Amino acid sequence: KAGVTQTPRYLIKTRGQQVTLSCSPISGHRSVSWYQQTPGQGLQFLFEYFSETQRNKGNFPGRFSGRQFSNSRSEMNVSTLELGDSALYLCASSIMSGYSYEQYFGPGTRLTVT
Amino acid sequence: GDSVTQMEGPVTLSEEAFLTINCTYTATGYPSLFWYVQYPGEGLQLLLKATKADDKGSNKGFEATYRKETTSFHLEKGSVQVSDSAVYFCALSVLTGNQFYFGTGTSLTVIP
Repeated sequence: KAGVTQTPRYLIKTRGQQVTLSCSPISGHRSVSWYQQTPGQGLQFLFEYFSETQRNKGNFPGRFSGRQFSNSRSEMNVSTLELGDSALYLCASSIMSGYSYEQYFGPGTRLTVT
Repeated sequence: GDSVTQMEGPVTLSEEAFLTINCTYTATGYPSLFWYVQYPGEGLQLLLKATKADDKGSNKGFEATYRKETTSFHLEKGSVQVSDSAVYFCALSVLTGNQFYFGTGTSLTVIP
């Protein structure tokens, strides 16, 4: 099975612009979660989508949004970019295994805001 | 709330040394516990997991035991290799959903 894919892998944007990142989950996985990873804050949960509905949400401002399509692919959007949004954005697709979910991560999109 | 605390790094070991990375958790319910590994320039990979008390997860020579009495899930390996150099994350998820909580990560460098 193909793993989780994320596009693009690298992105450079200017303050004030907006950006859209894409994630294709593992085939058969219906849940997609997004995380922001920075050296100072570690992994911070952004949101989770399941069957096109946002099921969980982290503590990020409204500039961060996402959506999921009927084929489970997901996008996240960041509007009015700030320097502090520079980070590695990780997508994880999930499936129930036994009594728990397991999350499988993509390689991430490295966003640099200048 | 639910959270994970893991030992701060960085950790530097010589090849064939014994590895322990400590992880403790706080959870309101009965969580599942995980160790993930991140190699440079890559996403996180699931290393092992345990879903109930006294379960032992193991993979690639790494193991961790779910200790409910001490709320711990320490990662161990008997003999590390240079290829084990990476950042290791402890995580938990609550049984009622797909919300994961990650520790801050522990960087491991193994020198020949």
